[in-house]
Amino acid sequence: DTGVSQDPRHKITKRGQNVTFRCDPISEHNRLYWYRQTLGQGPEFLTYFQNEAQLEKSRLLSDRFSAERPKGSFSTLEIQRTEQGDSAMYLCASSFGQTPGNTIYFGEGSWLTVV
Amino acid sequence: DQQVKQNSPSLSVQEGRISILNCDYTNSMFDYFLWYKKYPAEGPTFLISISSIKDKNEDGRFTVFLNKSAKHLSLHIVPSQPGDSAVYFCAASAPQGGSEKLVFGKGTKLTVNP
Repeated sequence: DTGVSQDPRHKITKRGQNVTFRCDPISEHNRLYWYRQTLGQGPEFLTYFQNEAQLEKSRLLSDRFSAERPKGSFSTLEIQRTEQGDSAMYLCASSFGQTPGNTIYFGEGSWLTVV
Repeated sequence: DQQVKQNSPSLSVQEGRISILNCDYTNSMFDYFLWYKKYPAEGPTFLISISSIKDKNEDGRFTVFLNKSAKHLSLHIVPSQPGDSAVYFCAASAPQGGSEKLVFGKGTKLTVNP
């Protein structure tokens, strides 16, 4: 399977704990994105990387959230001191970065439940 | 503010008929539009896209129409099949405006009845 891979698929954690999600993009894609989706909403942009550089961050990405893509390949999204409002599906996506016509492809998501 | 709006939360059609899903946007900088399909507990799957230099793009049973003056796009599915039942998201981006992020609508749940 050469699609976007996310791990873990499901995570239940207690409020105040830290969690980390990993994303492996499609191998030839240089751009990697993180989105968050809650019930009844569309995906909301969090941040994106071109290679290892983090080029855009949303105001949704509070200081408890940090994303890295150290070697321009896989990426991690860490949430520190989780709150119940962090419960959501965290989606990773990747693309070639073609302009125009930058189509992004999503992984299957990582469900986070904070109890 | 909601820059991409899908005003119909749900749509129900009969198998074999046409499904028309609508999307409106407010940001005139948007110049690339996409439709995604999403099943429960899965990530969105890319369906079809259109650049602002076109007004129509077709791929098999799926056609997207863009009306730039009205800031409106629609997705037509003909003929509709029960396997098309899913939530459909419209998304837009403004790469020429310096942003690579996709802005999504809230989705329309399509049900195709056998």
